Amino acid sequence: KNEVEQSPQNLTAQEGEFITINCSYSVGISALHWLQQHPGGGIVSLFMLSSGKKKHGRLIATINIQEKHSSLHITASHPRDSAVYICAALTIIQGAQKLVFGQGTRLTINP
Amino acid sequence: DSGVTQTPKHLITATGQRVTLRCSPRSGDLSVYWYQQSLDQGLQFLIQYYNGEERAKGNILERFSAQQFPDLHSELNLSSLELGDSALYFCASSPSGRYFNEQFFGPGTRLTVL
Repeated sequence: KNEVEQSPQNLTAQEGEFITINCSYSVGISALHWLQQHPGGGIVSLFMLSSGKKKHGRLIATINIQEKHSSLHITASHPRDSAVYICAALTIIQGAQKLVFGQGTRLTINP
Repeated sequence: DSGVTQTPKHLITATGQRVTLRCSPRSGDLSVYWYQQSLDQGLQFLIQYYNGEERAKGNILERFSAQQFPDLHSELNLSSLELGDSALYFCASSPSGRYFNEQFFGPGTRLTVL
């Protein structure tokens, strides 16, 4: 079993729909990253959070430390949101931080 | 633009060869991380350097090595290349090597081994 699991693996939706991507982890974490990877390959960090909720534009990330679960929500989805979304758990091993990645969720938003 | 630069963008080489990938971190960032993204393994952490010293090791093969120079740029050396080394190699940087530091990713180097 992977230390970081995402669901769903693939998601197709219509423009305007509310999107939720889930991430569950089994390792102890100090924080959780949500990353976005566009078809060209570049990776952009969307959020880093260790508790509660963060919002940036139409994107919202939440984390429940007790349940070891995080969600990424996209409101009013748009075709330009089509990308792979990756959650990564930030763990501390012997005083150094290390990212453990989920397998990614491929999101396709159709016009 | 994250402020992290990587060169080259693309690299095509043959099995058995050796290549060097270069990464310049964001101004002021002391930590550099290297990641490999292959089709079958996804993203994997390879190694971290902090202010010139190796800080953490992940799934880095013995054929691979890295270093961080006094000006804080980093190089990842891949030798005795195999077909399975074909992947996207990303570096990321952060202000320090410790807690709660967001990492900023470079655009990646796509390595193709023929």
